[in-house]
Amino acid sequence: GQNIDQPTEMTATEGAIVQINCTYQTSGFNGLFWYQQHAGEAPTFLSYNVLDGLEEKGRFSSFLSRSKGYSYLLLKELQMKDSASYLCAVRGSYNQGGKLIFGQGTELSVKP
Amino acid sequence: KAGVTQTPRYLIKTRGQQVTLSCSPISGHRSVSWYQQTPGQGLQFLFEYFSETQRNKGNFPGRFSGRQFSNSRSEMNVSTLELGDSALYLCASGDLGVSTGELFFGEGSRLTVL
Repeated sequence: GQNIDQPTEMTATEGAIVQINCTYQTSGFNGLFWYQQHAGEAPTFLSYNVLDGLEEKGRFSSFLSRSKGYSYLLLKELQMKDSASYLCAVRGSYNQGGKLIFGQGTELSVKP
Repeated sequence: KAGVTQTPRYLIKTRGQQVTLSCSPISGHRSVSWYQQTPGQGLQFLFEYFSETQRNKGNFPGRFSGRQFSNSRSEMNVSTLELGDSALYLCASGDLGVSTGELFFGEGSRLTVL
């Protein structure tokens, strides 16, 4: 089967660093995505990893280990506006371009 | 460049009725996917259309169907609505020729079934 696990909720303090983990078991792998979704809004693309290692984009970084079926999203210098749901998603194969398998999402609350 | 546009944004139906939702992808994107989002199940893949053909399908009953037109606009239909169909239906388009092939989501159509 296909399964993606991530914590349901996390809380962090403004200015701090938070790491959101994601583990996956899928029948194939052609990339892992992180999306951010604010309440009542559309998910927006944050990052993409297809090879092992760290991808950095401003305050956000994403890491992938394909052998371990593991990824994390690292958010630095947290701001109140970072309070949102963070969705981990896997694409199973190249010909499943529009088919992403999503985790349940991690609800991040940033406190002052 | 305009984003993904979904209509209607909100709608209320009763059990047994049917509903049609519309999605206009980003100009140039040929892939359109549909997802159902509920608090309990998260984002669940419904189906993907590419160049007017259904390319991938999720594990939803046959009451859920879709189509894509030659201009890449897509519609999805749910027949014989059930209470459990109440959800946010998200459409996403993608330019799968680029390296990341990320999907761009619309704001969604929130369906309430009474």
